[in-house]
Amino acid sequence: AQSVAQPEDQVNVAEGNPLTVKCTYSVSGNPYLFWYVQYPNRGLQFLLKYITGDNLVKGSYGFEAEFNKSQTSFHLKKPSALVSDSALYFCAVRDGTNDYKLSFGAGTTVTVRA
Amino acid sequence: KAGVTQTPRYLIKTRGQQVTLSCSPISGHRSVSWYQQTPGQGLQFLFEYFSETQRNKGNFPGRFSGRQFSNSRSEMNVSTLELGDSALYLCASGPLDDTQYFGPGTRLTVL
Repeated sequence: AQSVAQPEDQVNVAEGNPLTVKCTYSVSGNPYLFWYVQYPNRGLQFLLKYITGDNLVKGSYGFEAEFNKSQTSFHLKKPSALVSDSALYFCAVRDGTNDYKLSFGAGTTVTVRA
Repeated sequence: KAGVTQTPRYLIKTRGQQVTLSCSPISGHRSVSWYQQTPGQGLQFLFEYFSETQRNKGNFPGRFSGRQFSNSRSEMNVSTLELGDSALYLCASGPLDDTQYFGPGTRLTVL
């Protein structure tokens, strides 16, 4: 079985400040980890992924995430948040060994105030 | 490349009816997955197809079914609609064992 936990329903930050969205996962095989963002009435937009290689992954729009195997975490970060980053963020995991489905966290609503 | 397209974008049905949703994947992608998004349950996996074969299925009743055609386009069908089937249905496509890219979704409302 695989699962994802996003412990914060909401994250509020001021524009220009660092943004962190937390994610922990559980998977029996090799973790394939993803971050997606969703704007109102839209589908999910891919931000970044970790499959193998460097633990620090850089993605779209200045976002990055760090894979930590010992803590089973994959936190999303952005050094300087923009008002336009306000959206719903989802962390997802796949068991890369033997599965094809994504399991999503409940989502974290990010609000960046001007 | 054009993104994943889903039709229709919005749909209103009544209880007991059936509905068919369509998904056209990104050109060259052979894997297509379907997800249901609701405020209460979040994002839940429905099923995944690759080369016309269902490889994985989520925990949904048999009223939910799908198929994939030889051109990788996919359809999902829900029969005997219930109020609880109201949701945003998302289709995603991807290369084998790689990132899934999502379409805009079909918003289904069951009255």
